Amino acid sequence: SQTIHQWPATLVQPVGSPLSLECTVEGTSNPNLYWYRQAAGRGLQLLFYSVGIGQISSEVPQNLSASRPQDRQFILSSKKLLLSDSGFYLCAWSVRGGASNQPQHFGDGTRLSIL
Amino acid sequence: AQSVAQPEDQVNVAEGNPLTVKCTYSVSGNPYLFWYVQYPNRGLQFLLKYITGDNLVKGSYGFEAEFNKSQTSFHLKKPSALVSDSALYFCAVRDVGASGGSYIPTFGRGTSLIVHP
Repeated sequence: SQTIHQWPATLVQPVGSPLSLECTVEGTSNPNLYWYRQAAGRGLQLLFYSVGIGQISSEVPQNLSASRPQDRQFILSSKKLLLSDSGFYLCAWSVRGGASNQPQHFGDGTRLSIL
Repeated sequence: AQSVAQPEDQVNVAEGNPLTVKCTYSVSGNPYLFWYVQYPNRGLQFLLKYITGDNLVKGSYGFEAEFNKSQTSFHLKKPSALVSDSALYFCAVRDVGASGGSYIPTFGRGTSLIVHP
């Protein structure tokens, strides 16, 4: 069966420090991958999505970036964190390509607090 | 363009009573519709989906949803609520007819379901 792992589960970082959040998927190949941010336990904001290695689309201009160095690995990064980067970050995967009738599958998230 | 609305921020129901969490959508073509549940400090879990066919869709944990094309709605229901059903519920839509990034769904803002003992 397919699983998705995110780490760390919680992270406290000072303003201006760098960030690296990692997400890996097991049990499937060529997934679509997504990074979302959820503020205050409510709506989801799509940050990045990827349809393949090295292919990243950004939905929201910000000081975050994403990379996909391997097929099932998705990394969210920042060179300098802002207070506004605090939130709950969720990684998700779905079946590649035209199977848009398939659901997304989410990791358990990283709660990021910026001090 | 596709959009989805969850008109209620919070729904309160007594344990054992039926529950309904509302969702309406807008798409240019036909919709794929999804419901997810999120427990505190966890990711979203898929509950059920509507693709085509029977308007009443059954999913996990005793939940079901009714697709109504004329009202562009996809309300989530359960005949008898449990305290453990208390969570945040998200509706999502994909437009079947869209091209490009059509595999990316649009999520509602979420509805907090509180089931009282």
